Amino acid sequence: LAKTTQPISMDSYEGQEVNITCSHNNIATNDYITWYQQFPSQGPRFIIQGYKTKVTNEVASLFIPADRKSSTLSLPRVSLSDTAVYYCLRMSGGYNKLIFGAGTRLAVHP
Amino acid sequence: DVKVTQSSRYLVKRTGEKVFLECVQDMDHENMFWYRQDPGLGLRLIYFSYDVKMKEKGDIPEGYSVSREKKERFSLILESASTNQTSMYLCASSLTAENSGNTIYFGEGSWLTVV
Repeated sequence: LAKTTQPISMDSYEGQEVNITCSHNNIATNDYITWYQQFPSQGPRFIIQGYKTKVTNEVASLFIPADRKSSTLSLPRVSLSDTAVYYCLRMSGGYNKLIFGAGTRLAVHP
Repeated sequence: DVKVTQSSRYLVKRTGEKVFLECVQDMDHENMFWYRQDPGLGLRLIYFSYDVKMKEKGDIPEGYSVSREKKERFSLILESASTNQTSMYLCASSLTAENSGNTIYFGEGSWLTVV
């Protein structure tokens, strides 16, 4: 199964940078790493996607080392509204059949 | 803006009822998915479809069926609802990728309670 491993939970404070690391030791050559954010009672929302090195958008940065066995989602200067569950996924299979792990529950405190 | 719309946000049904959950996407995506999400179990794939009238079982298809008569619409059917099908149901869609770099878009979810 195309599973990933990430911490179950993290705590942070407003204004801090948060880094969430995901392990994907068996990543395939064609796999991309994709991160989603989910608030309670809502569907997951796409944050960022990358293949290697660094990707940055208006929301986050994604760092993937050369061996691609892990990746790190970086959220700059978090706010209370960033409290959510964050999922790291491999895009595996011809039809993008995503397999979700348990995600990381991020709690941002005042 | 991409849009995956689930017709019902909250439903309450009785045990044994037939339940339809409808999902429509406006992005001309080939692939559509139905997941359920339960506390402590994360998202689990029920069924997916990669083309009109095509379907494949996911990880937990028992007790469910699906219908894909038009490209934009993917329906999840509970033939005889049971209390253990109380859950949040999420529909999603994506393009068919030659590589794996495409994004899956989710709807807002449908909360189903079976009493």
